[in-house]
Parts: sequence; structure tokens; C-alpha cells
Amino acid sequence: KAGVTQTPRYLIKTRGQQVTLSCSPISGHRSVSWYQQTPGQGLQFLFEYFSETQRNKGNFPGRFSGRQFSNSRSEMNVSTLELGDSALYLCASRGIGSSTEAFFGQGTRLTVV
Amino acid sequence: KQEVTQIPAALSVPEGENLVLNCSFTDSAIYNLQWFRQDPGKGLTSLLLIQSSQREQTSGRLNASLDKSSGRSTLYIAASQPGDSATYLCAVREYSGNTPLVFGKGTRLSVIA
Repeated sequence: KAGVTQTPRYLIKTRGQQVTLSCSPISGHRSVSWYQQTPGQGLQFLFEYFSETQRNKGNFPGRFSGRQFSNSRSEMNVSTLELGDSALYLCASRGIGSSTEAFFGQGTRLTVV
Repeated sequence: KQEVTQIPAALSVPEGENLVLNCSFTDSAIYNLQWFRQDPGKGLTSLLLIQSSQREQTSGRLNASLDKSSGRSTLYIAASQPGDSATYLCAVREYSGNTPLVFGKGTRLSVIA
């Protein structure tokens, strides 16, 4: 059974540009969550999608957005990139039922220059 | 607001030693608690999931305990090996279970051969 797949693994972007990251959850999982990891702040929650609807949202500016498709794949978009957006972006999927484990992908390392 | 603290931030031990990693959380109204391992630059690997009604979970050389009333969890690693070197993260999910994971900053473990 394939795990959570994130693409691309690495990205270098210039300030002011926008970027789109992709996450394919484990087959059958309908919940996809996104987290940002930085050395200073640790892991911070961005948003969660369940059956194409945003279920939860963290405390990030509107430049950060996401969506989920009917096949449960999810994308997150960051517009007008800032240097502080440089981070490891992690995606997690969960199956149906609140007691299930969260499984994470390998992450996308975004560097903004 | 839930806060998760992990002590110590870093730990170095000789191979073969048994060790305990600590995790504390401020609000005992949790749904479950999950321990993860993260290798440098990589994603998170789920180690153990403990439901709020459980006291402990075991997987191989790992044992995690949960004392919800005191807001504490410990991860016990038996007979440590150099391959156990990684950052260990604790995360709690609150209330109904349809809420984001709240992470600690992690404990960076080095096992010296």
C-alpha cells in the first residue's frame, strides 16, 4: 500500500512568486492536513480538508490556500512568497474515523530567495 | 490553548541504554496522542498512537504511556541502537478528534556506538 506522496520534494522560488504543492494521500483516506515546519516555530497547522471541504484552518495569512479534489488529492498554494515562507511543508492523511493514525509524507522543502 | 512541551530538547546516550522521552500537555481534554520519529530533512514516521482511554501502547522496543489527568506521556526505548538516532515528536489531538494535531518541539536523540 503506497504511503502519502508529496511533490515536488524540493523547490526554490523568488520572493513575490507563487507556488503550488501537491499531496496524494493513502488510498481510501479522505482527510488531508497540511503543516509548516521551521526550526524556530516547529510544526504549525495550516489547514485540513475532508471530502473536498476545508474542515479546519490554522492561523496563517490568506496568502496560504488549499483545495482538495474528488480523488482526495490536495494542493496548497502560497502566493506572493516571502523569505519567511521558507520551510518544510508536510502533508498528512487519515482514514475515516477519528481514532485513526495520521500518516505523513516526506515533505516539500521550499526555499524562497 | 493547548501547549505541548518535550523535555529534554536533546539527549545523547551510549548504545544499549534504556531511555525515556517526556511529553507534557496543558489541557487534559485530549482525544489521542501520537508519537512520531523524524530523520533529518525527512517526513514524520508514526511510532505509536494512544487513545485517551488507554494507558499504554507497545511496539517492539518502544512503549508509550499516557497519564491524561496529569497531562503527561512518556516514550520508553529499550536497548537503544545507533539507528534510533532521530528527533522524536509528540502530538495531541483534542476534543472530538476532528481537530488538528498540536506538536511539541521534539527531542533530538543521538545514540553513540
